[in-house]
Amino acid sequence: DAMVIQNPRYQVTQFGKPVTLSCSQTLNHNVMYWYQQKSSQAPKLLFHYYDKDFNNEADTPDNFQSRRPNTSFCFLDIRSPGLGDAAMYLCATSTSGNRWNEQFFGPGTRLTVL
Amino acid sequence: KNQVEQSPQSLIILEGKNCTLQCNYTVSPFSNLRWYKQDTGRGPVSLTIMTFSENTKSNGRYTATLDADTKQSSLHITASQLSDSASYICVVIPSTGKLIFGQGTTLQVKP
Repeated sequence: DAMVIQNPRYQVTQFGKPVTLSCSQTLNHNVMYWYQQKSSQAPKLLFHYYDKDFNNEADTPDNFQSRRPNTSFCFLDIRSPGLGDAAMYLCATSTSGNRWNEQFFGPGTRLTVL
Repeated sequence: KNQVEQSPQSLIILEGKNCTLQCNYTVSPFSNLRWYKQDTGRGPVSLTIMTFSENTKSNGRYTATLDADTKQSSLHITASQLSDSASYICVVIPSTGKLIFGQGTTLQVKP
């Protein structure tokens, strides 16, 4: 089945220790998104890739970076995680050819910062 | 400012009962509206999608309605099941394409 896969599902890191979250997709979608979702809050868009073009949200901290080496994979790098970065991180994909901009979400990675 | 507000914030119902969740939005111009179901610890899954010209859309026991004049949408769940326990998120997509999420309604279905 075509899908969006996130690894790991649960990640524990120490304060200040860099961490990388992974997202892969078999949908062949050209747009990939990273969202941060804190407890009982709506997902917050961090950035997205339109093909190879990186689009950062204005309020995304510099601590968050992203890489997209190819169509299928996208990574979220947190350079120096703080306690406030503990959250669920959701990856989503869409195709620019879909006029409804429907986004397909992965299962998420739950990040804990100790 | 584009906003999406959902009510109630949380809801507890007995298995087999019906319930209705509300969504009010101020997004303009408007492209389409979606309802997502998000199980605890999982990503959101799309339930229904409606354009401004559609009034109702069903997906099994889930029925969404849309009134584009009053900018209100509702999600009606019929004959609730324990597996319906989740957060339900109303998402409005303006013509610019960036998703605007509501805060969600947490539904708990009890036996």
